[in-house]
Amino acid sequence: QKEVEQNSGPLSVPEGAIASLNCTYSDRGSQSFFWYRQYSGKSPELIMFIYSNGDKEDGRFTAQLNKASQYVSLLIRDSQPSDSATYLCAVLNDYKLSFGAGTTVTVRA
Amino acid sequence: DADVTQTPRNRITKTGKRIMLECSQTKGHDRMYWYRQDPGLGLRLIYYSFDVKDINKGEISDGYSVSRQAQAKFSLSLESAIPNQTALYFCATSGGPGASTDTQYFGPGTRLTVL
Repeated sequence: QKEVEQNSGPLSVPEGAIASLNCTYSDRGSQSFFWYRQYSGKSPELIMFIYSNGDKEDGRFTAQLNKASQYVSLLIRDSQPSDSATYLCAVLNDYKLSFGAGTTVTVRA
Repeated sequence: DADVTQTPRNRITKTGKRIMLECSQTKGHDRMYWYRQDPGLGLRLIYYSFDVKDINKGEISDGYSVSRQAQAKFSLSLESAIPNQTALYFCATSGGPGASTDTQYFGPGTRLTVL
């Protein structure tokens, strides 16, 4: 079982809709969780991180964490064509990040 | 100027050649990392360093070596390159004054092709 698994894509959503990205992790002791966005051929850039159970909102992005279910998600509200990218879920253990394979999102104009 | 720089940005080499990829940062971070990215596999950790005297292997260190020349510089070497080391390589940093020690910041990447 992979340490970090993301829902397979690609995910296609119409402009203005909500994109929902899911991630599960295997290490119950994981404490920190990150979402990165990566445009094709570019480096990952941090969208947000979450440490505590519940929701964390930053602009159009909301991260949700449920440690009991070992599940973290990212919602993108009012999706824009500029949100078209690959989204990487990352989980921190022993100061090292483990990444999921990523989910590619395409926002249709 | 970019906080994390990588050189070269692109490199094509032949099997058996020695290659060095360099990473420099001006973020003042203590921790530095090298990852490779392959399509469908996400980012995988090659080596990491928490300070100049601390070097640790990641999940895929075979065939690679590193050198932490200073707090700001971390180099990755392929002693004898092979075609399956063709990938996109990223350097990342974390941990410094005024920053979360957990959040990693990535350089622009080096696209390496081994023929």
